[in-house]
Amino acid sequence: GAVVSQHPSRVICKSGTSVKIECRSLDFQATTMFWYRQFPKKSLMLMATSNEGSKATYEQGVEKDKFLINHASLTLSTLTVTSAHPEDSSFYICSARIRGQGNQPQHFGDGTRLSIL
Amino acid sequence: GENVEQHPSTLSVQEGDSAVIKCTYSDSASNYFPWYKQELGKRPQLIIDIRSNVGEKKDQRIAVTLNKTAKHFSLHITETQPEDSAVYFCAASKFIPEEYGNKLVFGAGTILRVKS
Repeated sequence: GAVVSQHPSRVICKSGTSVKIECRSLDFQATTMFWYRQFPKKSLMLMATSNEGSKATYEQGVEKDKFLINHASLTLSTLTVTSAHPEDSSFYICSARIRGQGNQPQHFGDGTRLSIL
Repeated sequence: GENVEQHPSTLSVQEGDSAVIKCTYSDSASNYFPWYKQELGKRPQLIIDIRSNVGEKKDQRIAVTLNKTAKHFSLHITETQPEDSAVYFCAASKFIPEEYGNKLVFGAGTILRVKS
């Protein structure tokens, strides 16, 4: 149980392109999903907390107009990297927590490796 | 805010030996401490977690200890095997009654290499 699906797994695109990443909880409802960015050999840096039906909460230093988050349902959150540039290249991972379980493990997706040429 | 420090950054052990990874946290209100294992290019996977009302928890070859007074917690892996080689992350969180909170703050990670 508690499976999180993230799509796509790999994106290679030209500078200036906008890229959408989907995060789905397959067998549970998730009021809250989290978006992380991970550089090679580094830790997971929380970018934003995605809340179903309301605006996302962004961490300090993360541009909300650059990284658009939409959490339209209890099983889907999307991250759109707008007008991506080479410095946006990274490994992006989402996680979800089972609805109603506030202090429980986060379940991670497989991640999306984004490469901007 | 919470700050989690993790040591060592790399750890090499011989197969069959034990491995210990240590983390400290700054916020005394933190009360949930998970450990994740991440293989190269893969998702972090929860391997064990502990809450502040417990001092130790064990699951087969893996154990976690928590010292609330000193604000540190440790991961212990016994009888290490080559497949234990991965990056291990500790994390800390504090429970906030409203559902939207409870962010995880991660340590920097430990690269564990088990030599056969």
